[in-house]
Amino acid sequence: DIQMTQSPSSVSASVGDRVTITCQASQGINGWLAWYQQKPGKAPKLLIYAASSLQSGVPSRFSGSGSGTDFTLTISSLQPEDFATYYCQQANSFPLTFGGGTKVEIK
Amino acid sequence: EVQLVESGGGLVKPGGSLRLSCAASGFTFSNAWMSWVRQAPGKGLEWVGRIKSKADGGTTDYAAPVKGRFTISRDDSKTTLYLQMNSLKTEDTAVYYCSTLNVAYSNYWGQGTLVTVSS
Repeated sequence: DIQMTQSPSSVSASVGDRVTITCQASQGINGWLAWYQQKPGKAPKLLIYAASSLQSGVPSRFSGSGSGTDFTLTISSLQPEDFATYYCQQANSFPLTFGGGTKVEIK
Repeated sequence: EVQLVESGGGLVKPGGSLRLSCAASGFTFSNAWMSWVRQAPGKGLEWVGRIKSKADGGTTDYAAPVKGRFTISRDDSKTTLYLQMNSLKTEDTAVYYCSTLNVAYSNYWGQGTLVTVSS
């Protein structure tokens, strides 16, 4: 199985900050990577797929990049509604696997 | 509007069984690949398994921790996805989400249903 390692596990940031979250796969996944946002008590929401494609309706302040084994989610200017937990997920092969999550907290 | 509504969660004793349902609407269910994902209390997301559309063979894949105990099925006439869970363990306690799969990305999710395995 492909292991997904996210860092950091949590980050404290202020509104307007630029936030970067990284995800590393245990083997190459050919760009088959998604990012999800989850707020407390809610279902996850797909933000980015295919490493850098923005899901319809997702604000452009979210962006994804990377290839091979190393990927990044960037929030260019953090908004109050962005405080949440973010997960990466590899879609290269089954079983699908998620990273451990990154909680973005208010500084 | 795509809607996925899970039901069937509850309290069950270790070794027991439970069947979850996911009622789908707002899209052509018969063409969709579907997935179950779970989340233990205070923990991260864990993929459980998926089922292809019948046109694509209707085959299933499962995560190792549930393989042989859980079965995913679908009734396209009822636009409903199922998760039959047998030989439940305390570590199966989680919120279970169904989702649509676009390739291998979960683009729509239900609200989840809580399964608690405890004596």
